[in-house]
Amino acid sequence: EAGVAQSPRYKIIEKRQSVAFWCNPISGHATLYWYQQILGQGPKLLIQFQNNGVVDDSQLPKDRFSAERLKGVDSTLKIQPAKLEDSAVYLCASSLVAAGREQYFGPGTRLTVT
Amino acid sequence: GENVEQHPSTLSVQEGDSAVIKCTYSDSASNYFPWYKQELGKRPQLIIDIRSNVGEKKDQRIAVTLNKTAKHFSLHITETQPEDSAVYFCAASKGNMLTFGGGTRLMVKP
Repeated sequence: EAGVAQSPRYKIIEKRQSVAFWCNPISGHATLYWYQQILGQGPKLLIQFQNNGVVDDSQLPKDRFSAERLKGVDSTLKIQPAKLEDSAVYLCASSLVAAGREQYFGPGTRLTVT
Repeated sequence: GENVEQHPSTLSVQEGDSAVIKCTYSDSASNYFPWYKQELGKRPQLIIDIRSNVGEKKDQRIAVTLNKTAKHFSLHITETQPEDSAVYFCAASKGNMLTFGGGTRLMVKP
């Protein structure tokens, strides 16, 4: 079974620029998550989708971050404008819809903001 | 919201020794507790999980224990091997929302 796909793998931008990340979950996984992992810390949930609806976005900095999951499959996460503190690995994960099921992570996108 | 504390932040053991990592959580409604292993530059991967209706679970050299009353759970790795070297994260959730601990860097010296 194919895993969670993410692109790009690496991105370097200057502060105040915009950037977008793409995620393709495992086929059949209705739930999709975006996490931010700052170096040396655990992943922090930014937003959770079930199909194409938002379940939780309480930790998403909505003044600069946005995410969408059109058609309930692929998802994009956008940052505009980026700040230095946004430098992190952005991980996408997916799971079956039932609670307490394993989340499968993608390889992540490493963002460096200079 | 949920808060998960993890200790120690780094752990160095000799090959063949046991390693124990401990986590505490704050929300008594949390009912699912996975452990993820993350090797340098790679994605987190689930190694074992436990649900709140179980006190202990074992899978070969790895075991997890859960104390719901005290709101803490632990990962035990026996007969450690160099390939066990990685960062380990605990997490707690109710529903699908995972809250991760800060991670433990385990180093197994040959």
